[in-house]
Amino acid sequence: LAKTTQPISMDSYEGQEVNITCSHNNIATNDYITWYQQFPSQGPRFIIQGYKTKVTNEVASLFIPADRKSSTLSLPRVSLSDTAVYYCLVGDDGYSTLTFGKGTMLLVSP
Amino acid sequence: DTGVSQDPRHKITKRGQNVTFRCDPISEHNRLYWYRQTLGQGPEFLTYFQNEAQLEKSRLLSDRFSAERPKGSFSTLEIQRTEQGDSAMYLCASSPSLVGGNIQYFGAGTRLSVL
Repeated sequence: LAKTTQPISMDSYEGQEVNITCSHNNIATNDYITWYQQFPSQGPRFIIQGYKTKVTNEVASLFIPADRKSSTLSLPRVSLSDTAVYYCLVGDDGYSTLTFGKGTMLLVSP
Repeated sequence: DTGVSQDPRHKITKRGQNVTFRCDPISEHNRLYWYRQTLGQGPEFLTYFQNEAQLEKSRLLSDRFSAERPKGSFSTLEIQRTEQGDSAMYLCASSPSLVGGNIQYFGAGTRLSVL
């Protein structure tokens, strides 16, 4: 699986847009990019997945440039409840396991 | 609630005792995974099943660990002769047959404390 690099932590305030960038220079042609969110004492929760360009759902947007060597998770108008760890993973549709890094700890303040 | 269910949520045991955790996946998900997570780290893969077949095991899964999924439904993870280093959150996840990038759905986990 392609290795990912993301910031260890980020700070924001309520109502702001937050962008978390993940680098995956060795992404393979068949790899998808997936983001999970994890609150303390809970399991990770799927947020969004994409292959190229832009994907948007009710929670977030995922921007993937043409070379796919990075991706950006965009959280619009964050609230205190968005304080969590966010993980970026890459892998193809044949991979059976997920390899998590340490993720990005997002702290949203009032 | 039709999500992944794990039982118990918390387990405290003494070193050397055996413990067993249960996971009930989302119904009709034929893939089931176990992960371990320690403080400040992301989840680490332990093993996975497709239906009742255990198809992959991590090197983290020592011979004290065993997992089963009889009849391809719920799964159990047993740790024999627990050690303090086994203290962690044990997470279970399930997914349907691979579509797209293998989106997995996680349970809330079982937190194990070995005294």
